[in-house]
Amino acid sequence: DQQVKQNSPSLSVQEGRISILNCDYTNSMFDYFLWYKKYPAEGPTFLISISSIKDKNEDGRFTVFLNKSAKHLSLHIVPSQPGDSAVYFCAASANYGGSQGNLIFGKGTKLSVKP
Amino acid sequence: NAGVMQNPRHLVRRRGQEARLRCSPMKGHSHVYWYRQLPEEGLKFMVYLQKENIIDESGMPKERFSAEFPKEGPSILRIQQVVRGDSAAYFCASSRQLNTEAFFGQGTRLTVV
Repeated sequence: DQQVKQNSPSLSVQEGRISILNCDYTNSMFDYFLWYKKYPAEGPTFLISISSIKDKNEDGRFTVFLNKSAKHLSLHIVPSQPGDSAVYFCAASANYGGSQGNLIFGKGTKLSVKP
Repeated sequence: NAGVMQNPRHLVRRRGQEARLRCSPMKGHSHVYWYRQLPEEGLKFMVYLQKENIIDESGMPKERFSAEFPKEGPSILRIQQVVRGDSAAYFCASSRQLNTEAFFGQGTRLTVV
């Protein structure tokens, strides 16, 4: 049973346009969300995070939006650059009980930014 | 400040052998996490450790897998009597505190032949 879902396995965007990556979750106890970027044969790299007490967090070209009622978050990249081409993972954690500290990852969305 | 260091990067083992994967967290980080990524899958949580303590091992298979984070030295993920299905990329991550961003190592790619 997937608690964190990234329903689009891939996304193709033109350079300079906006990339929107989506993530849905089912566990209402999740209170911290993160986005990671991963290149082939490398470990994931932290991009941006958001706490459940906020609905938006912005860092340069990257903005994460959280809609708690819909259990949905999205990552916006604008403007998109060819170097952004990678697999993007959404992750969530819940600060309760035995799951304290671990991250639940989605399956990832492969973003291709075309020049 | 060195990042999370994992070694070896690639490990080949025959069925039935033992695999030992090492992870040195970032300086100042006392929380270590191990994840496994199977082909075409996302990262799956295995175990969360602090120095000398296993905090959460809810993602660890019940048999053959163990993890430790001793007072001195790296964290070790040990897989005994490996089988083909253990072939995967194993990633270690560390964080300074709970629920802050975790920084990942480059992973160890285990191939069981």
